[in-house]
Amino acid sequence: AQSVTQLGSHVSVSEGALVLLRCNYSSSVPPYLFWYVQYPNQGLQLLLKYTSAATLVKGINGFEAEFKKSETSFHLTKPSAHMSDAAEYFCAVSPSGNTPLVFGKGTRLSVIA
Amino acid sequence: DSGVTQTPKHLITATGQRVTLRCSPRSGDLSVYWYQQSLDQGLQFLIQYYNGEERAKGNILERFSAQQFPDLHSELNLSSLELGDSALYFCASSATRANYGYTFGSGTRLTVV
Repeated sequence: AQSVTQLGSHVSVSEGALVLLRCNYSSSVPPYLFWYVQYPNQGLQLLLKYTSAATLVKGINGFEAEFKKSETSFHLTKPSAHMSDAAEYFCAVSPSGNTPLVFGKGTRLSVIA
Repeated sequence: DSGVTQTPKHLITATGQRVTLRCSPRSGDLSVYWYQQSLDQGLQFLIQYYNGEERAKGNILERFSAQQFPDLHSELNLSSLELGDSALYFCASSATRANYGYTFGSGTRLTVV
């Protein structure tokens, strides 16, 4: 069965520093991969998605993620953290376009002024 | 506003009771997904409907049921409620395939006392 592992339940960075949130997946077929963000008391919002086109995917709010098949990874990065980036981030996988998304446990990002 | 509407936003009920959560998908989306979010289990997929028919089932308890109506809105029925059912319940919708990404509602917070 497909699964997603997010390393680090809580990541803390200084404002202006690099953001790196890790995601590794297991899937028997080339997957579809997603990053979602959840702000307090809100639903999840799609940040970006990988659907087998370019391996480097650019999303909203300056985030991007790189699909690395050899490492089964899809890490999320942002060059410079902003206070407004503080939220919970979820990585998700779907092994085929028709299979419901499986989410990781989430990583809470804190940004320190 | 994501376009996915969930009601009610908050629900407090006693053990043993039955509640109904409602979801209206984004205009044009045919698929509806229900997820349960709790601190210990994370985001767990419950069930998917596509154009009125059940398409996929996840970790949904037998005490829980759902349906999608001809106007595409969906309802999640939770019965014989237990304390452990307290959680955030999210509805999401997508066009036809999961790889397009989901649009989430803001959720219903259920508290069982």
